Amino acid sequence: GAGVSQSPRYKVAKRGQDVALRCDPISGHVSLFWYQQALGQGPEFLTYFQNEAQLDKSGLPSDRFFAERPEGSVSTLKIQRTQQEDSAVYLCASSLGTNNSPLHFGNGTRLTVT
Amino acid sequence: SQQGEEDPQALSIQEGENATMNCSYKTSINNLQWYRQNSGRGLVHLILIRSNEREKHSGRLRVTLDTSKKSSSLLITASRAADTASYFCATSGTYKYIFGTGTRLKVLA
Repeated sequence: GAGVSQSPRYKVAKRGQDVALRCDPISGHVSLFWYQQALGQGPEFLTYFQNEAQLDKSGLPSDRFFAERPEGSVSTLKIQRTQQEDSAVYLCASSLGTNNSPLHFGNGTRLTVT
Repeated sequence: SQQGEEDPQALSIQEGENATMNCSYKTSINNLQWYRQNSGRGLVHLILIRSNEREKHSGRLRVTLDTSKKSSSLLITASRAADTASYFCATSGTYKYIFGTGTRLKVLA
């Protein structure tokens, strides 16, 4: 079976542009997470979905960040009016959602805001 | 903010040597996991240890957990050049996985 797929792999945006990052989780995985990873740092939690419900968005840095998972499968992370500090790798991960189930990560989208 | 910190931040060893990296965390946990990340790739799950376990083995990996000290260690025995990567611990209380700052391991052939 396929793993977690993220697209695009790389995205360059001019400051002020809106971007949309896509995540295709493993089929049947209930839980979906978005993380932001700065260079040389660990992943920082952004938001969490259980099926289509966004149960935690406490890690989203500002109201310019918005995530959705309308049918409980594919998820999109949207960043409006991008700023240079938004430059990072955005990682999506999914899991079965049971206790102690590991996360399966995609290869991430590297966003560069110029 | 990160939950934990790995120590050391960077480690360089010769092939065949053992590598030990440590993780400290702040709050009570349900389990602790270790992940590996190769350059430009996503993280890959290595091993999970539950809060009521003290030690776990998987192939060349050995993980220990000391909940009284809120710390864990990952030992990679007989390291190989292919083990070169960044290693992260992640703690889970309920649903959220919080990652540490990572140890960058370089294994020299």
